[in-house]
Amino acid sequence: GAVVSQHPSWVICKSGTSVKIECRSLDFQATTMFWYRQFPKQSLMLMATSNEGSKATYEQGVEKDKFLINHASLTLSTLTVTSAHPEDSSFYICSARLFRDRAYNEQFFGPGTRLTVL
Amino acid sequence: AQKITQTQPGMFVQEKEAVTLDCTYDTSDPSYGLFWYKQPSSGEMIFLIYQGSYDQQNATEGRYSLNFQKARKSANLVISASQLGDSAMYFCAMREGINTDKLIFGTGTRLQVFP
Repeated sequence: GAVVSQHPSWVICKSGTSVKIECRSLDFQATTMFWYRQFPKQSLMLMATSNEGSKATYEQGVEKDKFLINHASLTLSTLTVTSAHPEDSSFYICSARLFRDRAYNEQFFGPGTRLTVL
Repeated sequence: AQKITQTQPGMFVQEKEAVTLDCTYDTSDPSYGLFWYKQPSSGEMIFLIYQGSYDQQNATEGRYSLNFQKARKSANLVISASQLGDSAMYFCAMREGINTDKLIFGTGTRLQVFP
């Protein structure tokens, strides 16, 4: 099956620093990737849609200058949390869309990155 | 209004029994897709089953089946012959429309399978 990896799996940083999270599709090309965040005991909330070779599309209420997304290749998207603060502590999950000969375009999810900002 | 509603925060089921996890949705778009994902404690999201709005039959994937009642706007997940490894969070999600891949998730149901 299609595999999506994320790195790092967890990170602890000081308030005010920036953190980069990588999302890779390992065995398929993904023109579109998605970034979600999940607070403890809550659901996944879509932050942005990452499009290869173009700007990301952010959901309402998500600060694009704070959450920088770069989709430089067909297998890699990065999310950079700039000037992180404790309220940015969350579980960040990416997914990559795989086109198949099916009625739906399946999204494969990465294992997630747990960010803790001190 | 909530697009996806999962009213059961937690469910218990005994091993080998069947369990139904509820999901209702709200959309005015005639074309939509409904997904169920499993999230174990490790955090990864595992795709379980998909139902398209125009599908005539209920989707089935192994021990998972989707009880799709379009008029009631419900898409309940049925897990047959529960196993201890089924203990996890289960999320219902919807793709609204045909020109988007965005998924809207429900709040999830925590399923605990006991021996």
